[in-house]
Amino acid sequence: DAGVIQSPRHEVTEMGQEVTLRCKPISGHDYLFWYRQTMMRGLELLIYFNNNVPIDDSGMPEDRFSAKMPNASFSTLKIQPSEPRDSAVYFCASSLVGADYNEQFFGPGTRLTVL
Amino acid sequence: GQNIDQPTEMTATEGAIVQINCTYQTSGFNGLFWYQQHAGEAPTFLSYNVLDGLEEKGRFSSFLSRSKGYSYLLLKELQMKDSASYLCAVRVAGNNRKLIWGLGTSLAVNP
Repeated sequence: DAGVIQSPRHEVTEMGQEVTLRCKPISGHDYLFWYRQTMMRGLELLIYFNNNVPIDDSGMPEDRFSAKMPNASFSTLKIQPSEPRDSAVYFCASSLVGADYNEQFFGPGTRLTVL
Repeated sequence: GQNIDQPTEMTATEGAIVQINCTYQTSGFNGLFWYQQHAGEAPTFLSYNVLDGLEEKGRFSSFLSRSKGYSYLLLKELQMKDSASYLCAVRVAGNNRKLIWGLGTSLAVNP
């Protein structure tokens, strides 16, 4: 089985540009999480979905960030306009209710650099 | 507030045993996870504790004391490939899948 798939793996953009990150969760998983990781702040939960519905977006930094999950197999995280302080690794993770530990499975991440 | 503390860095020798501690102060508790993250890669699940005591999985064991807000990850027979960051995370509520994460402990295993 394929794991969580994210694209692109690397993104370099200039301040002010729109950035869209994409995620395909593991088939059958009903929770999807978006995280941001930096050296200073570690892993921060931005938003998570259950059955395609946003449950908690309290971690979304500001209105420049938005996330959607139009169906069970696809989610996007958009930053517009991007700023240098958004530079980080963005991870998508998915999990399944009823699994032994409900652990989260992470995608390979998107390394975003905003110049 | 929610707080998880781990040592920032640790070093150990190949073949030895190392214990990585994690203390937490959270508004609730419904399980503690340990994840391993190699440099440039994604975190991967190692262990889960929800009841007090020790859980053993091969060379790795994890311990939990809920009354003390304390957990540790024990790595035995260290190998070079165990050099990684180890992340402690707490699930605060049962019907909420949100995890609170520590900053991670960077472990260097030396020959």
